[in-house]
Amino acid sequence: DAKTTQPPSMDCAEGRAANLPCNHSTISGNEYVYWYRQIHSQGPQYIIHGLKNNETNEMASLIITEDRKSSTLILPHATLRDTAVYYCIDENSGGYQKVTFGTGTKLQVIP
Amino acid sequence: EPEVTQTPSHQVTQMGQEVILRCVPISNHLYFYWYRQILGQKVEFLVSFYNNEISEKSEIFDDQFSVERPDGSNFTLKIRSTKLEDSAMYFCASSEWGDRNEKLFFGSGTQLSVL
Repeated sequence: DAKTTQPPSMDCAEGRAANLPCNHSTISGNEYVYWYRQIHSQGPQYIIHGLKNNETNEMASLIITEDRKSSTLILPHATLRDTAVYYCIDENSGGYQKVTFGTGTKLQVIP
Repeated sequence: EPEVTQTPSHQVTQMGQEVILRCVPISNHLYFYWYRQILGQKVEFLVSFYNNEISEKSEIFDDQFSVERPDGSNFTLKIRSTKLEDSAMYFCASSEWGDRNEKLFFGSGTQLSVL
């Protein structure tokens, strides 16, 4: 099972930054942290991943604490289309890439 | 952007019937996956596939399930004798490599309803 902890739900005003926290206190030194999202029963969508350094792409930023036990996904200007379930995934190192989804955070962007 | 394509989008079948769910992964990807999501529940890993072999499978993926890459483009999931509890959304995914530093691309899913 997923070894991360996320709040079950969050609200964010449209146009504001959405900051989604995740605890991954059991993460080991070489395990990545991945973020995916699922918009209303569509297929999950990759957002971003990182190991130690903060990462940014066209979708979001990922801030990883120095001890790597927690991270925050930042959507800088949330839109209504960002309403989704966001999954923080502590890599399951099984030899082959396998994403193990937990229950995630349901982000509701409010007009 | 390239995408994973799944057909059909909806499949209705009678209990005990065989179904085949089809997927066309992204063309240069080498690793393929099936997941499922029962309504209101988590997305669950079923199986991963590379080089015409199953790489890993979950407890859900029992003898009723099989996967195949029948040609250079399709990747299929077969359920031999469907049960009511097989009703779910089935997602196919692919990745370029099987490395840990890798991202999965998911299709939009096939909603399977077993009556």
